[in-house]
Amino acid sequence: DTGVSQNPRHKITKRGQNVTFRCDPISEHNRLYWYRQTLGQGPEFLTYFQNEAQLEKSRLLSDRFSAERPKGSFSTLEIQRTEQGDSAMYLCASRLAGGQETQYFGPGTRLLVL
Amino acid sequence: AQKVTQAQTEISVVEKEDVTLDCVYETRDTTYYLFWYKQPPSGELVFLIRRNSFDEQNEISGRYSWNFQKSTSSFNFTITASQVVDSAVYFCALSESPGGGTSYGKLTFGQGTILTVHP
Repeated sequence: DTGVSQNPRHKITKRGQNVTFRCDPISEHNRLYWYRQTLGQGPEFLTYFQNEAQLEKSRLLSDRFSAERPKGSFSTLEIQRTEQGDSAMYLCASRLAGGQETQYFGPGTRLLVL
Repeated sequence: AQKVTQAQTEISVVEKEDVTLDCVYETRDTTYYLFWYKQPPSGELVFLIRRNSFDEQNEISGRYSWNFQKSTSSFNFTITASQVVDSAVYFCALSESPGGGTSYGKLTFGQGTILTVHP
């Protein structure tokens, strides 16, 4: 049983560039979450997918951010025109359907915007 | 709005000492879930325990134990006989019941407690 995987693990980019991250959830998990974690803080919720439908977005998700989950499998998170304030760890989590299921996290993608 | 407070920013102990990590939460929901996650230096969040709001039984798992007290809105975590491998950042988190309304079970995390266990 493989866990949640994320790629790339690290990304360094210049301000103004676009970046895309990928998350592959645990295979039978139909619920998927993205979080952002800045240094010294706990993760903060960004967005939620149930199968392919994006059902909730945080106010943290500005217009420069877009997330997709085509076919309800893997998910991508794209940041356009990156800013230095976007530097953070981007975490993906997945869980089974049902009320009490636990979210399992991937290793994260650490983004540094220069 | 939900809120989780971990007042201890950093704790330093010597191996074999017991250590308790505090967590206080706020929510208006009557049904909710509480979690503890461990984040080692590698960065991946590792699930430790889940507790629902109707189950106030304390739990013990090896050297780990958890004390849930609804009356004080606390969900504290104790490591007995700490080891160097316990060094990590520990997060307490809260989610609403994902079963109703527009709640989809997103987690609200505390700021984390950095635990350092010295040999």
